[in-house]
Amino acid sequence: SQTIHQWPATLVQPVGSPLSLECTVEGTSNPNLYWYRQAAGRGLQLLFYSVGIGQISSEVPQNLSASRPQDRQFILSSKKLLLSDSGFYLCAWSVGSSGGNIQYFGAGTRLSVL
Amino acid sequence: GNSVTQMEGPVTLSEEAFLTINCTYTATGYPSLFWYVQYPGEGLQLLLKATKADDKGSNKGFEATYRKETTSFHLEKGSVQVSDSAVYFCALTPLPGNQFYFGTGTSLTVIP
Repeated sequence: SQTIHQWPATLVQPVGSPLSLECTVEGTSNPNLYWYRQAAGRGLQLLFYSVGIGQISSEVPQNLSASRPQDRQFILSSKKLLLSDSGFYLCAWSVGSSGGNIQYFGAGTRLSVL
Repeated sequence: GNSVTQMEGPVTLSEEAFLTINCTYTATGYPSLFWYVQYPGEGLQLLLKATKADDKGSNKGFEATYRKETTSFHLEKGSVQVSDSAVYFCALTPLPGNQFYFGTGTSLTVIP
């Protein structure tokens, strides 16, 4: 069966420090991968998505970046965190583009930038 | 373009009350429609889905019917429980396509 792992679960970082969040998927090949951010009490904001290795689409210009070094690995990074980067970060995956595809979510990372 | 408009919350109901959360969508082509649920501190879980007009998705007593004529996918449950307290998201994915479009979420609190 397919599983998605996201870590760390909780992170507290000072302003200006770097960030690296990792997401891996098991049990499937060539998944579509996504990073979302959810601010407190708000909806989901799509940050990046990827349909293959090295293929990253950015939805929101900001100081975050994403990379996909392997088929089932998706990394969210920042060189210098801002206070506004605080939030709940969710990784997700899906397969294909022919409709009815379900998106599966990781457990999320709670990031607090102080 | 593609978008989802969802009923504003928060919603507070007594146990065993009837639940409706409205969702309407705008899409190019024939999207698939979903309801996801998010319990506190967790990621989103698929609750139900429908892939074509007049399909009814159902799970755990929740139902939603894909209404193409009204571009709606309202979530209903006949008798809510305290354990249903969560945030509910309506979403769509276009056909073809690999992006998902989410509503802003509706927070539901069920009190005993």
